[in-house]
Amino acid sequence: GQQLNQSPQSMFIQEGEDVSMNCTSSSIFNTWLWYKQDPGEGPVLLIALYKAGELTSNGRLTAQFGITRKDSFLNISASIPSDVGIYFCAGQRSGTYKYIFGTGTRLKVLA
Amino acid sequence: DTAVSQTPKYLVTQMGNDKSIKCEQNLGHDTMYWYKQDSKKFLKIMFSYNNKELIINETVPNRFSPKSPDKAHLNLHINSLELGDSAVYFCASSQTGSTEAFFGQGTRLTVV
Repeated sequence: GQQLNQSPQSMFIQEGEDVSMNCTSSSIFNTWLWYKQDPGEGPVLLIALYKAGELTSNGRLTAQFGITRKDSFLNISASIPSDVGIYFCAGQRSGTYKYIFGTGTRLKVLA
Repeated sequence: DTAVSQTPKYLVTQMGNDKSIKCEQNLGHDTMYWYKQDSKKFLKIMFSYNNKELIINETVPNRFSPKSPDKAHLNLHINSLELGDSAVYFCASSQTGSTEAFFGQGTRLTVV
């Protein structure tokens, strides 16, 4: 089945640094979602995006819906140790119930 | 109150056995899903039910059979378990008209 490609695959950063990651697809989506998964837990929704070009924030997190509708970006500002985890993007086409998930970005924060 | 709850959280079983994983959501959602997360953490949809009707059935071996007795429950039964079935299985739910899916904590299945 289709998967969305996320970049980078993993990253180590220092506490306090800003983080950027992206998600790309070969086809168009109408909705982009960003999830975070902590070890041993299920994914938790961080941000939902519904319109091309939309920029949405949730605390230190900011996500953008790419204007081509084939990509999305997530930024985390001033990272802290609890930001550690796997970040997944997910896309959904209108009229479908299916969420297609990205390959994940594994974030490790060094205190 | 847990919104989407799965039982058991851990399941270790021998090859060839049959096992079930249960999922319940108390969010009032009308759509439920099963996802499989492999050892590389890739999340892939397996099934989805909307108002107790199967609406998504990805290429999954027919040893896997979902059952939805009502809108709040979606169980997954697996026959003749194989080593390759070892993974974390996540249940999720959403509401028609909303794009936000909420996930359970997962069931880690280990087949030995």
